[in-house]
Amino acid sequence: DIVMTQSPDSLAVSLGERATINCKSSQTILYSSNNKNSLSWYQQKPGQPPKMLISWASTRESGVPDRFSGSGSGTDFTLTISSLQAEDVAVYYCQQYYSIPYSFGQGTKLDIK
Amino acid sequence: EVQLVDSGGGLVQPGGSLRLSCVASGFTFSNHAMTWVRQAPGKGLEWVSSIINSGASTYYADSVKGRFTISRDNSKNTVYLQMNSLKAEDTAVYYCARDQWYYAYWGQGTLVTVSS
Repeated sequence: DIVMTQSPDSLAVSLGERATINCKSSQTILYSSNNKNSLSWYQQKPGQPPKMLISWASTRESGVPDRFSGSGSGTDFTLTISSLQAEDVAVYYCQQYYSIPYSFGQGTKLDIK
Repeated sequence: EVQLVDSGGGLVQPGGSLRLSCVASGFTFSNHAMTWVRQAPGKGLEWVSSIINSGASTYYADSVKGRFTISRDNSKNTVYLQMNSLKAEDTAVYYCARDQWYYAYWGQGTLVTVSS
């Protein structure tokens, strides 16, 4: 099974500053058929279901603000929020969909400093 | 507009059974795989089970294999999760999601509490 490990577990960033969340997979998740990494990022606010932000490691979902971006390849991935807004306070999860079981990272809690 | 409405959760004793339902609308249900993901109180997300669009293939997490059964009725745009031999550690909010490998659409979740 592929293990997804996020870092840090929590972070606090000032409004308008950059937030960076890392995600590492225990093996490569590069899907050979399209040469894309099988990784998605989700945002979850209290009492709500997760909201998908990014698929294929870097493809932003329609309607997601462009301050959110995903990068990385192979086993190391990053979610970056370029200028933190108050509404970005949430828990963020990465997920691999390269092989079943489709595993999630443990989550990173993002707060305002 | 894509909508997924989860239901069927509740309080059940250890060893009991429960069936969750998820009714889909706003897309061609029979074209999409569907998945259940759960979240224990205060914890992270855990993939539980998936079923392909035809229902011919199903997949389970080791933690539920042999106890849970996923199924679907494409005529009713509904996916089900039959949960048997429930344990305290199955207590969680259960979400259904439209499966495109990633999950762009989620239900609102239904709470399952296993307790005596």
